[in-house]
Amino acid sequence: AQTVTQSQPEMSVQEAETVTLSCTYDTSESDYYLFWYKQPPSRQMILVIRQEAYKQQNATENRFSVNFQKAAKSFSLKISDSQLGDAAMYFCAYRSATSGTYKYIFGTGTRLKVLA
Amino acid sequence: GAVVSQHPSRVICKSGTSVKIECRSLDFQATTMFWYRQFPKKSLMLMATSNEGSKATYEQGVEKDKFLINHASLTLSTLTVTSAHPEDSSFYICSARVWGGETYEQYFGPGTRLTVT
Repeated sequence: AQTVTQSQPEMSVQEAETVTLSCTYDTSESDYYLFWYKQPPSRQMILVIRQEAYKQQNATENRFSVNFQKAAKSFSLKISDSQLGDAAMYFCAYRSATSGTYKYIFGTGTRLKVLA
Repeated sequence: GAVVSQHPSRVICKSGTSVKIECRSLDFQATTMFWYRQFPKKSLMLMATSNEGSKATYEQGVEKDKFLINHASLTLSTLTVTSAHPEDSSFYICSARVWGGETYEQYFGPGTRLTVT
């Protein structure tokens, strides 16, 4: 069975600085997708970024980028120029590309605090 | 982007009663929706996969007779918590499967906080 681990329950970053959130996963599959979701205090889950396992190039979305290390099964999220609005819970998620179920497996989350 | 709504956003019910939560895809059709449960400061746990026109697929350990799921149309899935008890109090989130251009993604509703007294 696949698992997703986020070892940092909480992180803090100064406004305008850069922070990296860690995520590791375990799977025997070779084809899958990884996601980072943001859950602000409103509790609305928002997709931040997506990475396809078959792509070697790291995904980027404006200030958000990932460091995808397939061999190490690591998928970290880097937030550059942190803003107060980035404060939220961040969840890493895994989805198989072959099972056909489209089920997500979520990590336990990292709470990001942004300090003014 | 795709918008998913949930109703109600908050509900309080008495122990032993049933409560229905609606999940709607507002600007697209969703053949597949998912129901999650999130405990305070915890991750999302998948409860079931809801497929339009067929029976839901429940995850191991989820009581299908207690958490009734109906996906009667391409834009609406409902979760009914039957004979609710205080331990059912939680945050329930639905999501809809959406084609994201390269693969399917999930777009989430804003959640429903259920409190059973």
